Amino acid sequence: QSALTQPASVSGSPGQSITISCTGTSSDVGGFNFVSWYQQHPGKAPKLIIYDVTNRPSGVSNRFSGSKSGNTASLTISGLQTEDEADYYCSSYSITSTPWVFGVGTQLTVL
Amino acid sequence: EVQLLESGGGLVQPGGSLRLSCAASGFTFSTYAMAWVRQTPHKGLEWVSKISGYGGGTNYADSVRGRFIISRDWSKNTLNLQMDSLKAEDTAVYYCVRHGAYGSGYYADYWGPGTLVTVSS
Repeated sequence: QSALTQPASVSGSPGQSITISCTGTSSDVGGFNFVSWYQQHPGKAPKLIIYDVTNRPSGVSNRFSGSKSGNTASLTISGLQTEDEADYYCSSYSITSTPWVFGVGTQLTVL
Repeated sequence: EVQLLESGGGLVQPGGSLRLSCAASGFTFSTYAMAWVRQTPHKGLEWVSKISGYGGGTNYADSVRGRFIISRDWSKNTLNLQMDSLKAEDTAVYYCVRHGAYGSGYYADYWGPGTLVTVSS
């Protein structure tokens, strides 16, 4: 099962908005509204920030939002803050033999 | 407070075995599906195996099927991963995760800090 495609890196300045894409296929991202996003700071475990495409867990800032169109899901971070600098991973349910697939990760730099 | 704490990682030779455990607390362990996810610098995050709540049905990634066995000890609130016939490509940080209870459930709402498994001679 191939990993979901994400840009290797994105950057933005404090206060700006950025969007990270996550591209899969009709067997995963495009076929189900089961996309989640995780934030990972160096040396730490990933943290859930979006589930089922658009839902934010309790305690996650509303600066984080998710969407999906076709086979591509997106994570948007508005009002960038220095603490947002981290790696971001998408994930999706898959109808293939591997029911849960992850993206390759995107490194966000806040300039 | 939900807590997950892995143990059992370490250095093992190719072909060897290792058993990982994850102590869970702060929630009703039996009602949640649990999983193992591993991470390497080169391949990123990779789902390894899942076990359902109550019924205990299991799933495995193609890369570990037939070599790894996931199980849960209901009395000790512990998740286990028995890893046999280990290969160099199994080298990774292994995370114990709890599947979410809302919506699809196909997301991990809590992660342990991880335990490092190194397969090398």
